[in-house]
Amino acid sequence: ETGVTQSPTHLIKTRGQQVTLRCSSQSGHNTVSWYQQALGQGPQFIFQYYREEENGRGNFPPRFSGLQFPNYSSELNVNALELDDSALYLCASSFTSGSLHTGELFFGEGSRLTVL
Amino acid sequence: AQTVTQSQPEMSVQEAETVTLSCTYDTSESDYYLFWYKQPPSRQMILVIRQEAYKQQNATENRFSVNFQKAAKSFSLKISDSQLGDAAMYFCAYRSAVNAGNMLTFGGGTRLMVKP
Repeated sequence: ETGVTQSPTHLIKTRGQQVTLRCSSQSGHNTVSWYQQALGQGPQFIFQYYREEENGRGNFPPRFSGLQFPNYSSELNVNALELDDSALYLCASSFTSGSLHTGELFFGEGSRLTVL
Repeated sequence: AQTVTQSQPEMSVQEAETVTLSCTYDTSESDYYLFWYKQPPSRQMILVIRQEAYKQQNATENRFSVNFQKAAKSFSLKISDSQLGDAAMYFCAYRSAVNAGNMLTFGGGTRLMVKP
């Protein structure tokens, strides 16, 4: 069974640039969510994708956007990067049944983004 | 909105001893889930233990157990027979039982150090 994998593991960008982070969900999982974890803090929920649509969003501006593909993998896109966007970005996947009951969340090891 | 508070930024325990990590939360909901996650230096969040709010019995998983006090909105984690591999960041998290999907609200974390 393949776990949640994320790429890249580390990257450095400059303020104003755009970044795309990628996530492959665990085998059998159909729901992907993204979290931002600033240094020394707990993760904060960005958004969730189910059936290729965003169906839940935290308190993040529209320049944070995402996609989910038919194979349930996902991308997180951040436009107009700001210094405060420097953080570990965690992807998590789970299986959601037709009754929208969501099972256990499995996390990847994250992508560490540094914005200079 | 729900909030989760971990008042102990750091805790230390001697190997083979017992340690308790504290967590309090604030919610107006009656049905929800509570979790403890472990985040080692590898950065991957690993589920340690889960508690459903409607269950009065405290959850246990081998050396890990919780003390769930619903009225006090308290959810502490007890680690018995501490091992060197238990050293990590520990996060308490809350999830609503109603249409919350994978939206977890995390506390700020407690760094656990285990002394040999």
